[in-house]
Amino acid sequence: ILNVEQSPQSLHVQEGDSTNFTCSFPSSNFYALHWYRWETAKSPEALFVMTLNGDEKKKGRISATLNTKEGYSYLYIKGSQPEDSATYLCARRGSNYKLTFGKGTLLTVNP
Amino acid sequence: DTGVSQNPRHKITKRGQNVTFRCDPISEHNRLYWYRQTLGQGPEFLTYFQNEAQLEKSRLLSDRFSAERPKGSFSTLEIQRTEQGDSAMYLCASSLNSASSTDTQYFGPGTRLTVL
Repeated sequence: ILNVEQSPQSLHVQEGDSTNFTCSFPSSNFYALHWYRWETAKSPEALFVMTLNGDEKKKGRISATLNTKEGYSYLYIKGSQPEDSATYLCARRGSNYKLTFGKGTLLTVNP
Repeated sequence: DTGVSQNPRHKITKRGQNVTFRCDPISEHNRLYWYRQTLGQGPEFLTYFQNEAQLEKSRLLSDRFSAERPKGSFSTLEIQRTEQGDSAMYLCASSLNSASSTDTQYFGPGTRLTVL
């Protein structure tokens, strides 16, 4: 994998459904993996920063896991709510400080 | 509001004009970053500052682009002789400059540029 890739590109779920997205990234020269939530007309909101293989982070109904050896991270949302509708971005940080982003997953939660 | 702020939020200009955007980072943050997002893409790194020093510039940053952070506080991004391909969302972020690899970048709401 040369770039940061996210799947699916978009997702429609019903309120109450649980869902998950995937972020794949180059595993070499890896320092950290960031997840952001970006709602329209707002600032991207930092959700998680993960660095260690096997890391798991949780914030309310949202959780994330990290596999640095194979280069992937999963983001899970339990019991989706309409206010979870947003674009979810992952970004990889290498030895410099810049973030390399995926294209994002657009989540729409229907009431 | 103690978050990252950006002004203006929207800018419409004609091709060939110069534009300047401003970013005010979180007050104690030493690092400041500029990213650009075009339609259908994720944000792409443009440049970053540690205090007033510009430490890295992307190849995306042509000679028409210049960024400054004169006193290590706010930053400006200027685009000269704008082209239609410059139309994008310009995002600014700041971070604390922690030695930890978990140093988090906090983003502003962006400036959306439309070049007619």
